[in-house]
Amino acid sequence: AQSVTQLDSHVSVSEGTPVLLRCNYSSSYSPSLFWYVQHPNKGLQLLLKYTSAATLVKGINGFEAEFKKSETSFHLTKPSAHMSDAAEYFCVVSDEGGGNKLTFGTGTQLKVEL
Amino acid sequence: NAGVTQTPKFRVLKTGQSMTLLCAQDMNHEYMYWYRQDPGMGLRLIHYSVGEGTTAKGEVPDGYNVSRLKKQNFLLGLESAAPSQTSVYFCASTPFAGPNTEAFFGQGTRLTVV
Repeated sequence: AQSVTQLDSHVSVSEGTPVLLRCNYSSSYSPSLFWYVQHPNKGLQLLLKYTSAATLVKGINGFEAEFKKSETSFHLTKPSAHMSDAAEYFCVVSDEGGGNKLTFGTGTQLKVEL
Repeated sequence: NAGVTQTPKFRVLKTGQSMTLLCAQDMNHEYMYWYRQDPGMGLRLIHYSVGEGTTAKGEVPDGYNVSRLKKQNFLLGLESAAPSQTSVYFCASTPFAGPNTEAFFGQGTRLTVV
């Protein structure tokens, strides 16, 4: 069985400071990992995905994530937060074993303050 | 490019009423999914389909039925709505099963059962 744990339900940062959103996963298979972002009253947009080609994955809007197998982690980072980054972020693992089902973390609400 | 389209976007039902949510995708994807999103719980899989004419139960299937008569459409039905089904429903699709396959999401349907 697969699972995802997002360690913080809320994160608050000041504009211009670094962002760190933490995610740990559990998977029986070689995992496919994603980060999705959801802005208020919007659908979900893919930020980045782990392709197994490189452990450091770059996504849109300056976000990146590092896959660490030894720590079973896939933390999302950004060097400098912008007001427009305020949203809910979901860490997701894909079940390659059947149906391509996605298992979502419970989400991290990112607040960016002036 | 329409992508994944959900109708309706909003709906209020009375307890015991029935309704059908429609998901349509124009990307010729094989796999389609219905999720529900509740505060603090991320997205949970209700039902999914791995191809035309197939359906399977997800994590929280009780109280819902689905049909996939055409490849491009995936219908979610509530036969007798209950207040516990108040949620935001998301449809998603993926082209095939495989590593790092991105899911494309609709904009969501906000359902309130009173």
